[in-house]
Amino acid sequence: AQSVSQHNHHVILSEAASLELGCNYSYGGTVNLFWYVQYPGQHLQLLLKYFSGDPLVKGIKGFEAEFIKSKFSFNLRKPSVQWSDTAEYFCAVLSGGSYIPTFGRGTSLIVHP
Amino acid sequence: EAGVAQSPRYKIIEKRQSVAFWCNPISGHATLYWYQQILGQGPKLLIQFQNNGVVDDSQLPKDRFSAERLKGVDSTLKIQPAKLEDSAVYLCASSLDGSGRSTDTQYFGPGTRLTVL
Repeated sequence: AQSVSQHNHHVILSEAASLELGCNYSYGGTVNLFWYVQYPGQHLQLLLKYFSGDPLVKGIKGFEAEFIKSKFSFNLRKPSVQWSDTAEYFCAVLSGGSYIPTFGRGTSLIVHP
Repeated sequence: EAGVAQSPRYKIIEKRQSVAFWCNPISGHATLYWYQQILGQGPKLLIQFQNNGVVDDSQLPKDRFSAERLKGVDSTLKIQPAKLEDSAVYLCASSLDGSGRSTDTQYFGPGTRLTVL
């Protein structure tokens, strides 16, 4: 069965610091990859997704993620975080042929102004 | 555009009681999902509907959980009887995609926080 690991459970940064959140998955075949974000008091929403093509995917609010197939990774990055990026971030993977997306346990990001 | 609506937002019950959650997806969205999110974990898909048919319910504990999506619009998720370990946030999401492959953008509702005492 597919598993998704988000190794950083809690990350605390100051504004303007660079961000990288790790996401690794176990299934070696074709995958669709997602990052979701949940801001305090808000609904879970899609940040970005990868299906095929350019492995560097750009999402909303200056976020990007890079799919590295050889490392089974889909890390989320942002060059300069803002206080408003404080949120819970979830990586999700949809394995080829499956209808069931598998979510990681999430990373809580706190950005100090 | 109205988002995904869920009710109630909070529910507290005692173990062995029954509970039902309601979801109204975004108008025109063919696919509807129910997730269970236990504290400290990511969402876990329970059941996925495409219109009023079930696409996947392999992770639904069918001895106590049931769900239906009548007329391909609203959906209800029921737990009967509830156990302590059912305490979680129950999320409903919908997507426009009619393929059932979960590749289309999912729009999530606010969730229902269930506490079982």
